[in-house]
Amino acid sequence: QKEVEQNSGPLSVPEGAIASLNCTYSDRGSQSFFWYRQYSGKSPELIMFIYSNGDKEDGRFTAQLNKASQYVSLLIRDSQPSDSATYLCAVNIEFGGSQGNLIFGKGTKLSVKP
Amino acid sequence: EPEVTQTPSHQVTQMGQEVILRCVPISNHLYFYWYRQILGQKVEFLVSFYNNEISEKSEIFDDQFSVERPDGSNFTLKIRSTKLEDSAMYFCASLTSTDTQYFGPGTRLTVL
Repeated sequence: QKEVEQNSGPLSVPEGAIASLNCTYSDRGSQSFFWYRQYSGKSPELIMFIYSNGDKEDGRFTAQLNKASQYVSLLIRDSQPSDSATYLCAVNIEFGGSQGNLIFGKGTKLSVKP
Repeated sequence: EPEVTQTPSHQVTQMGQEVILRCVPISNHLYFYWYRQILGQKVEFLVSFYNNEISEKSEIFDDQFSVERPDGSNFTLKIRSTKLEDSAMYFCASLTSTDTQYFGPGTRLTVL
């Protein structure tokens, strides 16, 4: 059974701080990794994807992947109240999003306090 | 900017009734997916669809479920005889040019 684990939170950080969200996955053959943001009652919205070990930066967001440790993380710099949401980690055993399916974690709820 | 649309936004039905959830993927996308999310739980894959046929399905996607693309734009999920446990948000997604899945706004299904 392929699993993706996340700390459910809530993770509370002050405005302007760095939020660090973590995710582990069970299938060592996993190839692609995605972070989605989900506001309450809304659909998942893609923030970042990463395929290779190391860091990938996009604006205030940095995704980090360590395949040896089966660990992926998301850093949000200069956190804003509008970042308050549930962050979903999703994993695919195939490269990219076309083949196979996304396996989601339960999500970490982030609260950014003004 | 093109978006995935889903109708209805909320569907209420009686147990045992058939429901059809509709999705209009972004027009030039080729891969389509259905996911569901029971309240408070994780997003779960149901089925993927490519070239007018199912390419992969999960254990959840049993004989009560079916998908089709009846015309060039709509992509539907049918649940033949709904159960209470089918109550969930159902999301349609399609594959973008960056090889990532873009989700529609979802349909909330309530089975009474």
